[in-house]
Amino acid sequence: GENVEQHPSTLSVQEGDSAVIKCTYSDSASNYFPWYKQELGKGPQLIIDIRSNVGEKKDQRIAVTLNKTAKHFSLHITETQPEDSAVYFCAATDSWGKLQFGAGTQVVVTP
Amino acid sequence: DAGVIQSPRHEVTEMGQEVTLRCKPISGHDYLFWYRQTMMRGLELLIYFNNNVPIDDSGMPEDRFSAKMPNASFSTLKIQPSEPRDSAVYFCASSLGGGNSPLHFGNGTRLTVT
Repeated sequence: GENVEQHPSTLSVQEGDSAVIKCTYSDSASNYFPWYKQELGKGPQLIIDIRSNVGEKKDQRIAVTLNKTAKHFSLHITETQPEDSAVYFCAATDSWGKLQFGAGTQVVVTP
Repeated sequence: DAGVIQSPRHEVTEMGQEVTLRCKPISGHDYLFWYRQTMMRGLELLIYFNNNVPIDDSGMPEDRFSAKMPNASFSTLKIQPSEPRDSAVYFCASSLGGGNSPLHFGNGTRLTVT
């Protein structure tokens, strides 16, 4: 089945700096790669997603890149703000269309 | 749109008791998912439904767990009997189009079994 690995597990950045989270996946049939943000006491919320026919996607300060050959995808957050502090999860669909989540990255943005 | 609604938000029960978690998906969504979140195992898919029919329950840990979706606007996850190792946050999510579409999560039920 699909195995999604996510790094780092924790990430501390200064406000205004960039944050990068990286994920790898194992199933070459995976074709959908969403990123979720989870704030304390809430459910995960989709922040951006990318499909296998696209290499990069951007939405304001957030961008995602996908390298299908290497089976890895990354989340980039620019000009970080305190409200970006949260746990971020990458995910990938497996051959059965089920989402497999990475272990999560705790991002702390310090003023 | 009110989003996915889960109840209760918190549940504390004693080992051996029956626990029922409830979920109301977003109107019009045809897929419903139950996830469990723990520090050790992260987000695990327990079961999902399409048009109220259970499609894959391979993630359900044991026979003590059961889930139903009697209609398009309501689903339950039941644990009977509950055990301390069932303590976790249980999330319900819905989507229009399955796992290849954005999932909308509820705010979860934090279950503590003593």
